[in-house]
Amino acid sequence: EAQVTQNPRYLITVTGKKLTVTCSQNMNHEYMSWYRQDPGLGLRQIYYSMNVEVTDKGDVPEGYKVSRKEKRNFPLILESPSPNQTSLYFCASGRTYEQYFGPGTRLTVT
Amino acid sequence: AQTVTQSQPEMSVQEAETVTLSCTYDTSENNYYLFWYKQPPSRQMILVIRQEAYKQQNATENRFSVNFQKAAKSFSLKISDSQLGDTAMYFCAFSINSGNTPLVFGKGTRLSVIA
Repeated sequence: EAQVTQNPRYLITVTGKKLTVTCSQNMNHEYMSWYRQDPGLGLRQIYYSMNVEVTDKGDVPEGYKVSRKEKRNFPLILESPSPNQTSLYFCASGRTYEQYFGPGTRLTVT
Repeated sequence: AQTVTQSQPEMSVQEAETVTLSCTYDTSENNYYLFWYKQPPSRQMILVIRQEAYKQQNATENRFSVNFQKAAKSFSLKISDSQLGDTAMYFCAFSINSGNTPLVFGKGTRLSVIA
């Protein structure tokens, strides 16, 4: 089954404690990206990757890091989370005309 | 830069009735895609319908259809015979047709279908 998986699905953490949200896809897609969703703002792109070892900033990259060492994986790293990073995060992969979304990760930073 | 505007934060419709969700966008590109995504309470992002800008014919998927007005930069979604399962947040999105490009989303319209 073609899918994008994210882990964890829910995470509550404290300010400053480094965390990683994993994302994996089994469709051999070159393009992967991370979005965050906030009430009244829709989804905004954080980072994207055109291929292995190629990543670039989206619209809201501050406070986040990513890496793309393998084609299937694209983890999102928050090295020092802050309360304003409390949000719903989505990983996506695919092409321009068809992107597949993961199930979302609800992150709360206290 | 591309922008997508959904002017209706919330809407409601009676079961079995028809409802139209509005979306406008701004771009200088000529070759692009437009999408409507549905996000039910499960939070999963589900692609409802897709329109290619170079196609004049409006896309349809069962009870879902769009009214694509390229000159007016308008892309509305019509849901016919509304069902309780259509209750969700709906997002309009845009993407340039050039390699792999990001989706630009509107802020969403929360649709409630009332029994």
